[in-house]
This record gives sequence, C-alpha cells and structure tokens, in this order.
Amino acid sequence: DAKTTQPPSMDCAEGRAANLPCNHSTISGNEYVYWYRQIHSQGPQYIIHGLKNNETNEMASLIITEDRKSSTLILPHATLRDTAVYYCIVRPPEGNTPLVFGKGTRLSVIA
Amino acid sequence: KAGVTQTPRYLIKTRGQQVTLSCSPISGHRSVSWYQQTPGQGLQFLFEYFSETQRNKGNFPGRFSGRQFSNSRSEMNVSTLELGDSALYLCASSLARAGGNSPLHFGNGTRLTVT
Repeated sequence: DAKTTQPPSMDCAEGRAANLPCNHSTISGNEYVYWYRQIHSQGPQYIIHGLKNNETNEMASLIITEDRKSSTLILPHATLRDTAVYYCIVRPPEGNTPLVFGKGTRLSVIA
Repeated sequence: KAGVTQTPRYLIKTRGQQVTLSCSPISGHRSVSWYQQTPGQGLQFLFEYFSETQRNKGNFPGRFSGRQFSNSRSEMNVSTLELGDSALYLCASSLARAGGNSPLHFGNGTRLTVT
C-alpha cells in the first residue's frame, strides 16, 4: 500500500478554512485517497474520498493534484468541534485490504 | 439511518477471563471489520467478515476471534485476557467488501480495561 505523510500538528483560527496536506507520492493509478478524523474517545469518522477528481460534500472538500502525489483536505469554516486527529489513507480498489492508519495530523481549532 | 452500534461501551475484566464484544452494522451493510486502538500501536486491523465468512485477518494471536451472523451483526471474542489487551475495540461496516470505493463507517468502540 502507498504510504502517506502528514504534518503532526496544525492550528487554525475558528471560522477560517483549515487546509490539511497529505503526501502520497507512491500512490498507484487505481488507489483511492480517503480522509477520516477521530475526536477524542470516539471512533474514526469518515469524511471524504476520491480517486482523481476533486470532491466536495457537506463536511469538506478534497483537492487531489494532477499527478495524484498529494492532496489537501479543506474544512471551509473550521469550528471548535473540528478539533481532532485527521488521517489521510490510501486504499487499493480490491476488497481485501484493511485501512492502514498512520499518525495523522492533530488539528487544533482556536477561538 | 442509525450508525454502527457497539456494546458494551465500557468493560472491565481481570486477567485470564474472556470477553465478547458486539457490533451491529449500519442497515444494509454486509461487511464488518474490527480494529484495536492503543496509545502505543495506534489503530490496528484485527479481521474482516463478509457474508458470515472471515475474509481477512490481521497479525493477532488466536486468542482473538470473531464471527458474523446472517443479519450481518458481528461479535468478537478475546480469551485468556492479558493486561496488554486493554484497548479501544472498534467495529466498522461497509456496503461491500472493505476497499476501494466503499467507505468504512466506524462505531464509537468498546473500551476494554484488563486488570
């Protein structure tokens, strides 16, 4: 599986956009990019995923570079409740490979 | 739509005992996976079940086992508990086999403490 690299921590002011980067330079052409977050004492929460195109849902936007070697998760208007550890994960298309969680990025949203 | 439900939420056991954890997936989801989370090792994959069959297994000893029922509900069992088994045990479900374009949705876990 492709390995991902994320900064260990980031701060963001409340109400501003939070841009979380992820490097996945060894990604294969058919592997998906997934983002999850985990708030203390809760299970990981699915945010968004994509293959080649940029994706947007009610929680966030996912921007994948044209060469697919990196991506950015964008929380458009961060709130205090967005404080969490964010995980970027690369998944192959076959249905027999589990999620491999790295250390993620600890995002602190500051009032 | 109800999310993934795990019971119990908290559990305290003593060394040598065994424990059974339960997971009800999102309605319509047929794949259930289990993960262990500890501060030292992070999130680690235990096993995946689909259509009542174990499809994939992580690197855990045989004391860890599981099963899936015809209604997709799943249980995991840990026998002869050790102190190191203290962890948050997470269940996740997905529509299809865990991979590719089928997101996993996690429950809030069972916090197991072994004393």
